[in-house]
Amino acid sequence: DVKVTQSSRYLVKRTGEKVFLECVQDMDHENMFWYRQDPGLGLRLIYFSYDVKMKEKGDIPEGYSVSREKKERFSLILESASTNQTSMYLCASSGPGIQGYTFGSGTRLTVV
Amino acid sequence: GDSVTQMEGPVTLSEEAFLTINCTYTATGYPSLFWYVQYPGEGLQLLLKATKADDKGSNKGFEATYRKETTSFHLEKGSVQVSDSAVYFCALSDIGYQKVTFGIGTKLQVIP
Repeated sequence: DVKVTQSSRYLVKRTGEKVFLECVQDMDHENMFWYRQDPGLGLRLIYFSYDVKMKEKGDIPEGYSVSREKKERFSLILESASTNQTSMYLCASSGPGIQGYTFGSGTRLTVV
Repeated sequence: GDSVTQMEGPVTLSEEAFLTINCTYTATGYPSLFWYVQYPGEGLQLLLKATKADDKGSNKGFEATYRKETTSFHLEKGSVQVSDSAVYFCALSDIGYQKVTFGIGTKLQVIP
């Protein structure tokens, strides 16, 4: 089975800290995605990448950046964490064709 | 832009009841349509998909038919179980980069 692994299930960070969320997939997928999930808002796309070193802004990129130095790893960076970035962060990957996404288990980030 | 509309719920049903969760969409072109399920504390899992008009996706007793004329993809199950309690997301994909737009998610609670 395709596996998407997010490095942390729960994180607590302080306002102003630089935060790294890591995501690794093991099926050689080209496409990777970062979403945040909030009650009443569903999933919103932050950034996505369709190749190494490529990145595209999603619907809510402000306050975030990403890095994809290797095909299997896609990192989300919060340059200066703020309390409004408290959320569940979901990473996903997909391969060629219309397969749908494979999601990681999510990282619940709390910024205090 | 693309959008997906579904009720947030919660939808509360007794075990063995019939389930319908409505989903309508707005998109240019001919998107692929998906239902994802999120069990408590987990990431999303692909439940079923349909790639063209009149296709029926099915899995684990759940079904949904791609209705282009009504731009709908309603999820149905004939007899729900307590284990079906979860949040269900309708989604559509942009074929170019497989970027997916999600609905808000519908929480289903099944009581014994």
